[in-house]
This record gives sequence, structure tokens and C-alpha cells, in this order.
Amino acid sequence: AIQLTQSPSSLSASVGDRVTITCRASQDVTSTLAWYQQKPGKAPKLLIYDASTLEGGVPSRFSGSGSGTDFTLTISSLQPEDFATYYCQQFNSFPITFGQGTRLEIK
Amino acid sequence: EVQLIQSGAEVKKPGATVKISCKVSGYIFTDYYMHWVQQAPGKGLEWMGLVDPKDGETKYAEKFQGRVTITADTSTDTAFMELSSLRSDDTAVYYCTIVGPSSSFEYWGQGTLVTVSS
Repeated sequence: AIQLTQSPSSLSASVGDRVTITCRASQDVTSTLAWYQQKPGKAPKLLIYDASTLEGGVPSRFSGSGSGTDFTLTISSLQPEDFATYYCQQFNSFPITFGQGTRLEIK
Repeated sequence: EVQLIQSGAEVKKPGATVKISCKVSGYIFTDYYMHWVQQAPGKGLEWMGLVDPKDGETKYAEKFQGRVTITADTSTDTAFMELSSLRSDDTAVYYCTIVGPSSSFEYWGQGTLVTVSS
């Protein structure tokens, strides 16, 4: 199975900060990588798919980049509603796998 | 509007079986595979498996192989996930989700909490 390793596992930041989360795959997943945001008690929400395509309705402060084994999710200017847990996920091969998550907390 | 509505919370004893439903609306049920994802309390997301509602073909994660059965009923546009031989570490929220045109999990059910306790 393809392992996805996110870093950092947790992060404290302030409103207005620029934040970057990385996701490294144990083998090439081309661009079949997605990013999700999850808030407590809620289902995950798709933010980015195909590594860099913004899902409809997602604010443009979110962006994704990368291909192969190294990917990043960037939030250009943190807003209060962005404090949540973020997961990467690969669809390149079965089993579908997720990163362990990055918890973004208010500093 | 696409909706995935899951059945309610369950409490089961160790060794029992649970069956969760996921009724869909707003799209053609047979157009997209239905997936199931497990999330233990305070933990991350784990893919369990999928069913193709068109023909019932399934694929399961190795971790759950032999204990999970995912099915689809096209007469009611409902998918099911059955997990047997329950143990305490199966206590989790279970989500149904579909891969939309984005080729990612665009739509999710609200989640079903299964508690396994003696």
C-alpha cells in the first residue's frame, strides 16, 4: 500500500498567516492526490483534487501543488474558519490511502 | 442536490455484526462507486472498500477483508456496509462517500457512530 506522510502533524498559526502542509507519498502517485478539510463532528470536505485543482466553492486562498511523491497544500492567509484538520489522499492505486492528518490550531 | 443519508448510531457487543445504510439522492446511483471510510475516535481516515452499484463488484482493504461486506440495492438507491466479529477497536464513525467527476470524494454521508462495548 502507498503510504502518505504529512508534515507537520500539528501546527499553531495566527489569523492572516501563510501556512504550508506537505504530503509525501512512498511511491509515485502522479497527480492523483486530493486534500480534505475536516472539522470536529463533520465529514471531510474536498478542497483540492488532481493535486492542484480547486474544488468549486472553495476559497482561492487554498492552493495545491506537486506531482509524483511530493505535494503541498498552502493557505495564503488563514481565516478563523480554516482551523481544522487537513488530510491528503491518493487515488493512484488500491488501497486508497490517507495521510495521518495535520491539525491546524489557533496560536 | 446530491445527498447521502446514513442510518443512525449503533451500539453493539463484541462479536456482533453491524449493518449501516447509506441512501442516496440527487444523482444516478449506478453512475458512481460507493466507498466506505472508517474514523476511530481522535484518529485519521481509513478506506474500507467500495461497491460498484452497477454490478455489485466490490473491492476491500486488506485490513477489513473477511469481516466487511459492502452491497448496493439499486431498487432503493441504498448502499450497505456490514462489519462482523466486532471488537472494541471497531468503535468509530463510518462514512459513505462517492467519487464524483473530480475523481475524488466529493460527497459524503453525515457519518454513523458505531460503539462496540460489552
